[in-house]
Amino acid sequence: SQTIHQWPATLVQPVGSPLSLECTVEGTSNPNLYWYRQAAGRGLQLLFYSVGIGQISSEVPQNLSASRPQDRQFILSSKKLLLSDSGFYLCAWSAGAGVGVEQYFGPGTRLTVT
Amino acid sequence: DQQVKQNSPSLSVQEGRISILNCDYTNSMFDYFLWYKKYPAEGPTFLISISSIKDKNEDGRFTVFLNKSAKHLSLHIVPSQPGDSAVYFCAAYFGNEKLTFGTGTRLTIIP
Repeated sequence: SQTIHQWPATLVQPVGSPLSLECTVEGTSNPNLYWYRQAAGRGLQLLFYSVGIGQISSEVPQNLSASRPQDRQFILSSKKLLLSDSGFYLCAWSAGAGVGVEQYFGPGTRLTVT
Repeated sequence: DQQVKQNSPSLSVQEGRISILNCDYTNSMFDYFLWYKKYPAEGPTFLISISSIKDKNEDGRFTVFLNKSAKHLSLHIVPSQPGDSAVYFCAAYFGNEKLTFGTGTRLTIIP
């Protein structure tokens, strides 16, 4: 069966510091991968998605970036965090169109920028 | 431009009764719809989905209804249980590898 991991679970970072959140998927190959953010009391905002290694689509212009160095690894980064980057970050995977469009989410990372 | 809308931010239902969560969409190109359930500080969990060629899909206590002419879908939970208390998101897909999510409805089941 497929499993998705995210770490860390919680993170408190000062404004201006760098960020690296990691997501890995087990039990599947060539998944689509997604990064979402849920701000307090808000819905799910898609930040980035990837349909293959090195292929990243950005949905929202901001100071975040994403990379996919391996088939089942997705990394969310920032060089300098802003207060507005605080939120609950979720990674998700799907098998992709033609196989399954359902997305399956990881446990999330709670980021607080102070 | 909110293409998927959940106009009720919250809903309270007595335990054992039916919970009905609603979702409206504007893009007629959407051809697949999904419901997710989310507990605080956890990732959303996929519940049930429906293709646009159907008008109903059932899985245990959960049934999703789709009214394409009204661009409306609903999730029925019968009977409602305390563990159903969560935020429910509807989502829609039209072939671009992405889901468009609604803003969520917080369901509270009253014992």
